[in-house]
Amino acid sequence: QQQVKQSPQSLIVQKGGIPIINCAYENTAFDYFPWYQQFPGKGPALLIAIRPDVSEKKEGRFTISFNKSAKQFSLHIMDSQPGDSATYFCAASKTSNFGNEKLTFGTGTRLTIIP
Amino acid sequence: DTGVSQDPRHKITKRGQNVTFRCDPISEHNRLYWYRQTLGQGPEFLTYFQNEAQLEKSRLLSDRFSAERPKGSFSTLEIQRTEQGDSAMYLCASSLEGPYEQYFGPGTRLTVT
Repeated sequence: QQQVKQSPQSLIVQKGGIPIINCAYENTAFDYFPWYQQFPGKGPALLIAIRPDVSEKKEGRFTISFNKSAKQFSLHIMDSQPGDSATYFCAASKTSNFGNEKLTFGTGTRLTIIP
Repeated sequence: DTGVSQDPRHKITKRGQNVTFRCDPISEHNRLYWYRQTLGQGPEFLTYFQNEAQLEKSRLLSDRFSAERPKGSFSTLEIQRTEQGDSAMYLCASSLEGPYEQYFGPGTRLTVT
């Protein structure tokens, strides 16, 4: 059962463009939604995260948009650069009395920024 | 170094052999997670610890897999009688207890021949 669906599988954007990656979740108990960036042979690196009490969060060139009623969230990368070429994963978890629990990941989007 | 470290980075083993991986979390992070990532997929949760207590195990963690965190600091993940299907990247992450982010290590790439 895939609880977090991610699209597209791959994306090619010209430098300066705004790639958008979308995720949809099923479990309404999820209340924490991070995005990770992963380069080949490396572990995932946290980019930005959002909780459902806000509809948008911006950090530098990265923006998360969140739609609680649709159970969807997306990552936008402003002024994209060739160095942003990587695989991006959305994830979700729920918060218990002890804090964030295990992450459930999407299947990833391979992003290529062409000069 | 303030990041999560994992050792070894790469391991090639023959089917049927046992392997053990180590993870050192960020200092003072009392939560430690293990994930497995196969090619072209997102990481999948295996197990996690709060201090030395193993709080949850995934159904993916068959009885050939065992994880420990004996003193609440580093953790080991052992796979007994490895199978070709065990070939994957094994990722460790750590966090503080509470609504805090998980930070991943570089992973251990296991190849079972």
